[in-house]
Amino acid sequence: DADVTQTPRNRITKTGKRIMLECSQTKGHDRMYWYRQDPGLGLRLIYYSFDVKDINKGEISDGYSVSRQAQAKFSLSLESAIPNQTALYFCATSDTQGYGANVLTFGAGSRLTVL
Amino acid sequence: AQSVSQHNHHVILSEAASLELGCNYSYGGTVNLFWYVQYPGQHLQLLLKYFSGDPLVKGIKGFEAEFIKSKFSFNLRKPSVQWSDTAEYFCAVKVKNYGQNFVFGPGTRLSVLP
Repeated sequence: DADVTQTPRNRITKTGKRIMLECSQTKGHDRMYWYRQDPGLGLRLIYYSFDVKDINKGEISDGYSVSRQAQAKFSLSLESAIPNQTALYFCATSDTQGYGANVLTFGAGSRLTVL
Repeated sequence: AQSVSQHNHHVILSEAASLELGCNYSYGGTVNLFWYVQYPGQHLQLLLKYFSGDPLVKGIKGFEAEFIKSKFSFNLRKPSVQWSDTAEYFCAVKVKNYGQNFVFGPGTRLSVLP
């Protein structure tokens, strides 16, 4: 089983629909992240969480919300999806200190298409 | 603005050619530097990293990178590429006084022709 699991892997939806992308991890890491990947723009940080009670906005949080249900689960929601949110979304984790704090472990990605 | 830039959007090489991908960042202070690789259809994987010490770091699959502090650069190199190196390569910076978060460059797509 993968260390970081994202569901769904692919989703096509319509403008205005609510979408939730889920991420779960078995690494035991406290820190979790949601990134968005667009061609030519690299990965941009949407939200991050350093523990269950700590949620922080990233570079491009508008139009998104998150929930950290447990140490192992971090979900990303689009309350009302719009076409420019069509992208590949990655969840990642890292440890709190030491070597692991400086290395991101990524999920396989969730490809979202908003029509 | 704080940013990470990568010199090339798409690089095409023949097998056995040498590779150098440029990366520059605009942050001052202490940084940790990374190269991640994304093979077609796969998630990002760590290729190599620099924290401190010897500015020439070696990673997996024969890749190496050199940190040049005065140039704010962390270029990735490989003496002889293989078809299996076809992938997208991302430079990333972790700034110690910037929320402990990673900032990624836009990526460079490498295509190696057999």
